[in-house]
Amino acid sequence: GIQVEQSPPDLILQEGANSTLRCNFSDSVNNLQWFHQNPWGQLINLFYIPSGTKQNGRLSATTVATERYSLLYISSSQTTDSGVYFCAVRSTTSYDKVIFGPGTSLSVIP
Amino acid sequence: DAGITQSPRHKVTETGTPVTLRCHQTENHRYMYWYRQDPGHGLRLIHYSYGVKDTDKGEVSDGYSVSRSKTEDFLLTLESATSSQTSVYFCAISEPSGTLPYEQYFGPGTRLTVT
Repeated sequence: GIQVEQSPPDLILQEGANSTLRCNFSDSVNNLQWFHQNPWGQLINLFYIPSGTKQNGRLSATTVATERYSLLYISSSQTTDSGVYFCAVRSTTSYDKVIFGPGTSLSVIP
Repeated sequence: DAGITQSPRHKVTETGTPVTLRCHQTENHRYMYWYRQDPGHGLRLIHYSYGVKDTDKGEVSDGYSVSRSKTEDFLLTLESATSSQTSVYFCAISEPSGTLPYEQYFGPGTRLTVT
């Protein structure tokens, strides 16, 4: 089945710094999402982005499906950005199943 | 908020006992999923459903069964709980876009401890 990798696994930022999180996948996808899991365990949808670029406030995401990766950009980080960021993909050959990457754990310190 | 609730939210049970977790949705979504989340493993798909009485296995289905007798409810059953099934369980839904499943939304999770 499709493999999903995320980097870096852990990240510590000073408040106000920028960061880029990466998601690599091993097969063609027709669906890619980014989620934020907050410290209380809630999974929050950030982007549905199978291709192209989207922006939402300080966050933006780009997926280059032909090269099998996606990037999540966080600008001017805030302590509320702390948590784990997951990408999740649905391959074109197994479209019912959504597979998650292992996540990037982000800590933003004041 | 995609109208997803999970019950119970917390449960402690003993090894060997049966356990059923419930996922309930109010917006008539076609696809429903059960995941477990463990440290170091992210979220792993257990089972999913693409309609009433239509279910299929995910990555880690051994030891679990599911049922979907009506659109709004998706039940996950551990026939004989083991300590390795201690985890946080998440339910998710998605709607199809055309014939394909679309964006997923997650419930609040159920923390299960098997002693």
